[in-house]
Amino acid sequence: AQKVTQAQTEISVVEKEDVTLDCVYETRDTTYYLFWYKQPPSGELVFLIRRNSFDEQNEISGRYSWNFQKSTSSFNFTITASQVVDSAVYFCALSEAPAFNKFYFGSGTKLNVKP
Amino acid sequence: KAGVTQTPRYLIKTRGQQVTLSCSPISGHRSVSWYQQTPGQGLQFLFEYFSETQRNKGNFPGRFSGRQFSNSRSEMNVSTLELGDSALYLCASSLVGGSSSGANVLTFGAGSRLTVL
Repeated sequence: AQKVTQAQTEISVVEKEDVTLDCVYETRDTTYYLFWYKQPPSGELVFLIRRNSFDEQNEISGRYSWNFQKSTSSFNFTITASQVVDSAVYFCALSEAPAFNKFYFGSGTKLNVKP
Repeated sequence: KAGVTQTPRYLIKTRGQQVTLSCSPISGHRSVSWYQQTPGQGLQFLFEYFSETQRNKGNFPGRFSGRQFSNSRSEMNVSTLELGDSALYLCASSLVGGSSSGANVLTFGAGSRLTVL
């Protein structure tokens, strides 16, 4: 079974629109971490955020915000006022104890932001 | 501060050959992990090395192997290449191995794109 599901394969928006990328995870562990990474065309995965299972506080960083809800096993990512430079593939990932550096990635959501 | 460096960036091999990919982690980082990215299977964990020891291994056949040197640089090797091994191989480094104090932020390199003909 997929541990991380990103149901949205591809999303297209017009610049300045808000967009939310969904991530649903599955784990039996009580201690786990969730991540979001961005992969631009160059191929390198760029870290965006890390959350541990004990911290459900939502986070905002500039135009980016994350909503972590353990009750629904979701860790969604919202970009406010999207820009063309936000175009990339975004991956959600889960890591569990004890192999914390073993990430389970979702299939990714390709975001196209059009001018 | 230099990032994670992977070499070569691109390579083409034929079936049956073997390949060695190299990864130089960020200075001071002691853990190196490898991931395979393909359109069909997505990003999959291959293995993690910490202090020259393989700490974790993914579900890949024995044709996939790796090692880490005393300077934390890592190599992965794929023997008897198959068409399905065509992929982007990503290396990531972190300060410590991820089995003690929690998950580390992995810093990824730009990858080595392998094409098997």
